[in-house]
Amino acid sequence: EAGVAQSPRYKIIEKRQSVAFWCNPISGHATLYWYQQILGQGPKLLIQFQNNGVVDDSQLPKDRFSAERLKGVDSTLKIQPAKLEDSAVYLCASSIDGTFHEQYFGPGTRLTVT
Amino acid sequence: AQSVAQPEDQVNVAEGNPLTVKCTYSVSGNPYLFWYVQYPNRGLQFLLKYITGDNLVKGSYGFEAEFNKSQTSFHLKKPSALVSDSALYFCAVRDENGANNLFFGTGTRLTVIP
Repeated sequence: EAGVAQSPRYKIIEKRQSVAFWCNPISGHATLYWYQQILGQGPKLLIQFQNNGVVDDSQLPKDRFSAERLKGVDSTLKIQPAKLEDSAVYLCASSIDGTFHEQYFGPGTRLTVT
Repeated sequence: AQSVAQPEDQVNVAEGNPLTVKCTYSVSGNPYLFWYVQYPNRGLQFLLKYITGDNLVKGSYGFEAEFNKSQTSFHLKKPSALVSDSALYFCAVRDENGANNLFFGTGTRLTVIP
């Protein structure tokens, strides 16, 4: 079974620029998550989708971050404009559904904002 | 509010010795508890989970964890450590009554010394 795919793996941008990340979840997984992992911390949920609807985006900085999940499969996370404090690893995860099933994580995108 | 504490940033253990990585949690209802492992430049990998039933849960790579409701703990254990077990370990919790929103601890770096 193919895992969660993410691209790019690394990205370096200057502050105030924009950036987008892409995620392809495991086939058949209805629930998709985006996490932000700052160095030395555990992952923090940014947004959760159930199929193509948003379940939880309470931790998403909506003035600069946006996300969508087209047709309930792939998802993109965008930052515009980026700030220095956005430097982190952005992890995408998927699960069968939004209950007690474990989440499967992609390799992440390491973002450096200079 | 949900929270997870991993009191040790670093755990060192000799190869062949038993290992324990500690985790305590706080939730309003019954907890769903998870352990994930993160290797360098890779996403988080699921190890095991406790949902209900037997307090001793067995998972991947010979790891197990014991759920202790009275002490609100879910410590990760392995009888005999391998050098390849060296990695960053995260405990996570969600409330059975909440959305599938995992709260992660800050992680414990395990180093197995040959």
